[in-house]
Amino acid sequence: GAVVSQHPSWVICKSGTSVKIECRSLDFQATTMFWYRQFPKQSLMLMATSNEGSKATYEQGVEKDKFLINHASLTLSTLTVTSAHPEDSSFYICSAPTSGSGTDTQYFGPGTRLTVL
Amino acid sequence: AQSVTQPDIHITVSEGASLELRCNYSYGATPYLFWYVQSPGQGLQLLLKYFSGDTLVQGIKGFEAEFKRSQSSFNLRKPSVHWSDAAEYFCAVDVTGGGNKLTFGTGTQLKVEL
Repeated sequence: GAVVSQHPSWVICKSGTSVKIECRSLDFQATTMFWYRQFPKQSLMLMATSNEGSKATYEQGVEKDKFLINHASLTLSTLTVTSAHPEDSSFYICSAPTSGSGTDTQYFGPGTRLTVL
Repeated sequence: AQSVTQPDIHITVSEGASLELRCNYSYGATPYLFWYVQSPGQGLQLLLKYFSGDTLVQGIKGFEAEFKRSQSSFNLRKPSVHWSDAAEYFCAVDVTGGGNKLTFGTGTQLKVEL
């Protein structure tokens, strides 16, 4: 099946710094990718839709200036957490769809654990 | 807005025993329905999905799920659980029709006793 990778798998940063997380589709092209956030023992919450060559679409309540998304190529989307604070500590997961059976199948990356001190 | 409920946070079964994980959704029409499994260090993997047609859906790894419109449910089942099935299981729905914008339940952590 299709493979989606994320880098780094975990990162620790100081409060006030910015962190960039990469999401790559390794063997297929994705004009759209999705970013989720997962708190411990909780579900995944969709944050935004990353669109290749255009602006990302953010879900209600997600600060677009806080979570910068860039989808510069058909295989790479990046999420930058700007001026990170401890409450931004979470597990960030990306997904990318491929088409099949008339609708898309999502392939998920392994996630990035962000800890802000 | 749509919502997904997985009432069981943790479930423990013995290896070889049958398994049923519950999922209920709240939405006016029939959404697209999915079950994913999440293992540590790995991305969520799709087990099966339902869009229309036969309400009993077969998936990978011996899993199946049955859509029951009258109960707004999409429960996941497996006749005989293997120790390797221990993981977190998420039910998800998509009401947009494209299979992209997923709303997830809170997950059920499955433990398998040998």
